Order: sequence, then C-alpha cells, then structure tokens
Amino acid sequence: DADVTQTPRNRITKTGKRIMLECSQTKGHDRMYWYRQDPGLGLRLIYYSFDVKDINKGEISDGYSVSRQAQAKFSLSLESAIPNQTALYFCATSDKGQFYGYTFGSGTRLTVV
Amino acid sequence: AQSVTQPDIHITVSEGASLELRCNYSYGATPYLFWYVQSPGQGLQLLLKYFSGDTLVQGIKGFEAEFKRSQSSFNLRKPSVHWSDAAEYFCAVGPFSGNTGKLIFGQGTTLQVKP
Repeated sequence: DADVTQTPRNRITKTGKRIMLECSQTKGHDRMYWYRQDPGLGLRLIYYSFDVKDINKGEISDGYSVSRQAQAKFSLSLESAIPNQTALYFCATSDKGQFYGYTFGSGTRLTVV
Repeated sequence: AQSVTQPDIHITVSEGASLELRCNYSYGATPYLFWYVQSPGQGLQLLLKYFSGDTLVQGIKGFEAEFKRSQSSFNLRKPSVHWSDAAEYFCAVGPFSGNTGKLIFGQGTTLQVKP
C-alpha cells in the first residue's frame, strides 16, 4: 500500500455540489497538507495541519474547508464546487521533527462541470 | 516575499543529450531546496534536496543540483537524458520561519525527450 493514499483518483462533479477529497497516510507524520496544481502555476497551498487540533489556512483557502479526523486522515471539502476549482489536488505529509521534505499522494483529478 | 521561479516552462532535449533545468528563489536566509519530478498520472517524487554543506547534491536517477548562493539558484542537471526522464519537474523552497513545514513551489518545467 502507498504511504499516502488519496481517494478518489478522479472525480467529475457538477457546479454547486459538495464534494470531499480524502487523504490517509501510514507514515506516522504529524503534518499534513493540501495543495492544488494548475498548469503554469505550480502547486499552491490550500490548507495545512500540524496535528488534529491545529488547522491553518494556506494561500488559497477560499471556497475550501478541511477536517483532520485523526493523525492519519486529512480531508478537503469543496462546499459548493465551481468550475475554476477544476484542478489536480495533492495531499502531502511531513515529519514534525527534522524536515526532510514531503511525501505526496498520487493526486485527485477533479473536474467541475 | 519568498518565491521560486522556474524560467523555462517547456524544454525539449534529445535522448542522450545533457540537461539543465533552472530554478531561482527569493528567500531571506539559507533555504532548504528541493527538486521533485512528476511523471504523467503520478504524484510527486523527491529527486534531491539541499539543506547545508556541500553545494553539489546528488539525487536519484542520475540527477544532481548545485546550490549557488550568489545567484540564488538551484539548477538541476543530468549528463545524459533518457526517454523515461520525460516528466514535469518542480523546484521548491522552504520551510519558513518557525519551521512551519510549508514549501513554496515553482511553476514547473515540462521536459520532452526526443528519440
């Protein structure tokens, strides 16, 4: 099994629908992150969490919310999806101690029609 | 503000040719620097990282990168490119004050390899 698992891998949804993207990890890392990738823009941080009780907004949090259900689980929700939220979404984790970089999930490709 | 720039959006090289992907950063102190590769349909895989010490860093798949403080650069190189190297490459810098663990990513460079 992958260290960081994202579900679903692909999703098409309609404008106005609520959708949840899920991320789970077996790395034992405390820190988890949600990024979105758009062509020509690289990866931009949506939300990050240092532990279950610590949630922080990233640079593009508007229109998104998150839930850290457990150390290993970090979900991203789009309360009312809009077409410009069509993107590739990545979950990542990192260790609380020495920072060695991220471990990424395989991504969720979301299309809002 | 901290930022990362990858000046080349798209690069095409012939198989067997050498490769250099550019990365420039803006950061107030010595950063941690990373290169990630994203193959089609895959997540991002860490190629190499620089924290301190020797400014020439070796990574996986035959890649290396050199940190040049005077030029605020961390360019990725490979002496001989293979067709399987075709992918998108991201440079990243971080973490920032307070050890937030946040990384800032460049825009990405897409590498195409010609037979």
